[in-house]
Amino acid sequence: GENVEQHPSTLSVQEGDSAVIKCTYSDSASNYFPWYKQELGKRPQLIIDIRSNVGEKKDQRIAVTLNKTAKHFSLHITETQPEDSAVYFCAASKGSNYQLIWGAGTKLIIKP
Amino acid sequence: NAGVTQTPKFRVLKTGQSMTLLCAQDMNHEYMYWYRQDPGMGLRLIHYSVGEGTTAKGEVPDGYNVSRLKKQNFLLGLESAAPSQTSVYFCASCRDGRTDTQYFGPGTRLTVL
Repeated sequence: GENVEQHPSTLSVQEGDSAVIKCTYSDSASNYFPWYKQELGKRPQLIIDIRSNVGEKKDQRIAVTLNKTAKHFSLHITETQPEDSAVYFCAASKGSNYQLIWGAGTKLIIKP
Repeated sequence: NAGVTQTPKFRVLKTGQSMTLLCAQDMNHEYMYWYRQDPGMGLRLIHYSVGEGTTAKGEVPDGYNVSRLKKQNFLLGLESAAPSQTSVYFCASCRDGRTDTQYFGPGTRLTVL
């Protein structure tokens, strides 16, 4: 069935280094790919999204890239800071209806 | 503008009891969703609604019912709670279910003993 695979499940990086989280999707009709950040005990919040007519989108230290041919998209965080520590979820729109298909999440740990 | 709110924030139930979780949004969004999140896990869709008076099943609908009598409210009911329903429940809403940001409520932490 339709699914989104997210890797890695845990990522530990040194403060100031870059972090990359990757997701692959199976539904070729998916055309919307958001990334959410969830801090401990808080609600998920959108940090960046990309639509299928765009290959890359940047917002300060955060960027998302999309490869529709290979059906994968990635989140890039540069110059990581302690406040980047959180769980990050990718998602893909489900082509046939009004849901998002969610990845399992990546716990990002920023080491001081 | 409160966004998405959820009532209650915490609840403890005994097995077999019933309860209703209320989600309210003031953004005039058509689409609303109920998710559950178990410890260390991702989000699983329970039910969703594409407009007032409509509901549809998500990935894990068993044991839950929903109603969307008013556009701004989406209710999640547990008729006979089970320990397996212990979880954090998030409500979300958005303008367009296919291509738009989902705004989440603060969550309801439910424990079933």
